[in-house]
Amino acid sequence: GEDVEQSLFLSVREGDSSVINCTYTDSSSTYLYWYKQEPGAGLQLLTYIFSNMDMKQDQRLTVLLNKKDKHLSLRIADTQTGDSAIYFCAGQRSNQAGTALIFGKGTTLSVSS
Amino acid sequence: EAQVTQNPRYLITVTGKKLTVTCSQNMNHEYMSWYRQDPGLGLRQIYYSMNVEVTDKGDVPEGYKVSRKEKRNFPLILESPSPNQTSLYFCASSLKTQLQGPLNTEAFFGQGTRLTVV
Repeated sequence: GEDVEQSLFLSVREGDSSVINCTYTDSSSTYLYWYKQEPGAGLQLLTYIFSNMDMKQDQRLTVLLNKKDKHLSLRIADTQTGDSAIYFCAGQRSNQAGTALIFGKGTTLSVSS
Repeated sequence: EAQVTQNPRYLITVTGKKLTVTCSQNMNHEYMSWYRQDPGLGLRQIYYSMNVEVTDKGDVPEGYKVSRKEKRNFPLILESPSPNQTSLYFCASSLKTQLQGPLNTEAFFGQGTRLTVV
């Protein structure tokens, strides 16, 4: 089955770039996702990438996918204190029984001013 | 306003006392699911539902039940709660259910239910 791994903590200074990394095991995941969870809140979909893409950019967010190494990263440019949150990487597992998202444990991003 | 509503937001209960956490969505989504979030373990799927009367186990279904009698509601039932079910629970819904295509391009999560079983 799918397994998704990510580092647990990242600390950066305001204005720097943040890079959150994720590795996954199931190469059949057709879509990979990044979610953001702010304190006391639910999950918010930030972006997703189709498995045949190498890169996707959306304003301050850049997603890089290395399918050969099964490595996904999320880069946040000009990180702000409001970016402090937990970021979850997720892979999509689909079979005849149904479809599910498999989440990593989450990376806590701490931004200091 | 499009939303997923969970109730209650916070609950403290005793071991063995049956409880239900409700989840309701107003977006006519077919796909709904329940997750639990635990420190160091991330999010794990408990149950999911592809449509009315169609439910299936996720990764950690033991000790839980669900039902999907109507499209908008997907309650999570703990028949005999135990302390190891103390957790933060999230309900989610999504429009897309087909195997092809991104599942959660329109995914919505509820605000979470913090459950403590003593």
